[in-house]
Amino acid sequence: NAGVTQTPKFQVLKTGQSMTLQCAQDMNHEYMSWYRQDPGMGLRLIHYSVGAGITDQGEVPNGYNVSRSTTEDFPLRLLSAAPSQTSVYFCASSRAAGTDTQYFGPGTRLTVL
Amino acid sequence: GDSVTQMEGPVTLSEEAFLTINCTYTATGYPSLFWYVQYPGEGLQLLLKATKADDKGSNKGFEATYRKETTSFHLEKGSVQVSDSAVYFCALKEKTSYDKVIFGPGTSLSVIP
Repeated sequence: NAGVTQTPKFQVLKTGQSMTLQCAQDMNHEYMSWYRQDPGMGLRLIHYSVGAGITDQGEVPNGYNVSRSTTEDFPLRLLSAAPSQTSVYFCASSRAAGTDTQYFGPGTRLTVL
Repeated sequence: GDSVTQMEGPVTLSEEAFLTINCTYTATGYPSLFWYVQYPGEGLQLLLKATKADDKGSNKGFEATYRKETTSFHLEKGSVQVSDSAVYFCALKEKTSYDKVIFGPGTSLSVIP
């Protein structure tokens, strides 16, 4: 049982490049989400999904796209990276929407030059 | 809107010292309250939680009591260890909302031998 996995651990992009951050969980959790962590700001919700085929925007969705074709996977896409997207990104999952406990992945540290 | 405020860090303590990290919140309803811990290079892990007023969450020697009258959820530990060095996040989730956990900015703790 690997829990929540994220790849890559580190990534450097140039402004305007695109990339996909991968997230997978093997706990059969319905609810998955993406956060970004910036110094002094805690974690902010980007997008979330309550089940396969269903996604919605969180607090800071601009510049990011998501899809949820399977229960296990929830990739986050940056279509045209900007320096303001330099951050640490965390994927999280929980058993169902409304369940209190979330399980976090180890994070992806992204730098946009 | 809902918010979480934590004491400013970083906090540096000697081993076996008493730890308090203050957390206060603003919420329109009756939220669940959480403490998450982030060890260096890792994702967040749930440390403890409380779901209603006067509940005490506890884990690994850490405790926090849900105080509705003072809207607080302070984290305490009687004797810290070097292995407790981490960043601690206070968070809340409204029971009616499945899409958003509000995190505080985090408090960095360093414990020296």
